[in-house]
Amino acid sequence: AQTVTQSQPEMSVQEAETVTLSCTYDTSESNYYLFWYKQPPSRQMILVIRQEAYKQQNATENRFSVNFQKAAKSFSLKISDSQLGDTAMYFCAFLPGYALNFGKGTSLLVTP
Amino acid sequence: NAGVTQTPKFRVLKTGQSMTLLCAQDMNHEYMYWYRQDPGMGLRLIHYSVGEGTTAKGEVPDGYNVSRLKKQNFLLGLESAAPSQTSVYFCASSSSPGAVKGYTFGSGTRLTVV
Repeated sequence: AQTVTQSQPEMSVQEAETVTLSCTYDTSESNYYLFWYKQPPSRQMILVIRQEAYKQQNATENRFSVNFQKAAKSFSLKISDSQLGDTAMYFCAFLPGYALNFGKGTSLLVTP
Repeated sequence: NAGVTQTPKFRVLKTGQSMTLLCAQDMNHEYMYWYRQDPGMGLRLIHYSVGEGTTAKGEVPDGYNVSRLKKQNFLLGLESAAPSQTSVYFCASSSSPGAVKGYTFGSGTRLTVV
């Protein structure tokens, strides 16, 4: 079974600070994709960032960036200059084939 | 607005009743998925489809059936609802599994089985 582990059930960060969410995964595949999704209280699932495993360069999207360590099977999300609107559940997801496998999520609270 | 529409948004069922959840997308996506979300469990894949007329089992398929008779629709059926099926159900679609835009998700259906 291919699994995704998010070891931090809950995290808190102050506005304007930086926070890193951890994710590890287990696979024997060499080609795959990794994603971070955000789920605010509205329940809507929103794509934050995507990484292709065969690309060594870490993906970035504005204030969001990843640290992808393929050998360690690690895919952490860094949020810079945290904003109140970043408060949400964050899910790491791994795509080895046809469908995404999600981690259990990290609940992030951004405080004033 | 283009996207994924789930019907209904809320439903309460009695144990043993049946129902069908409808997912419709207007983006001409080949791939469609049904997930369930339970507290502390993340999203778990129930069934998925890689094209019209195809379906496949995911991680937690027991107690559910699906059909994809038309490309734009993906139906999830519960033949005999059980309290363990109380959950929030999400449908999603994508043009390809690793699409740059990722999956497009519906807004979810909250199902309670009493």
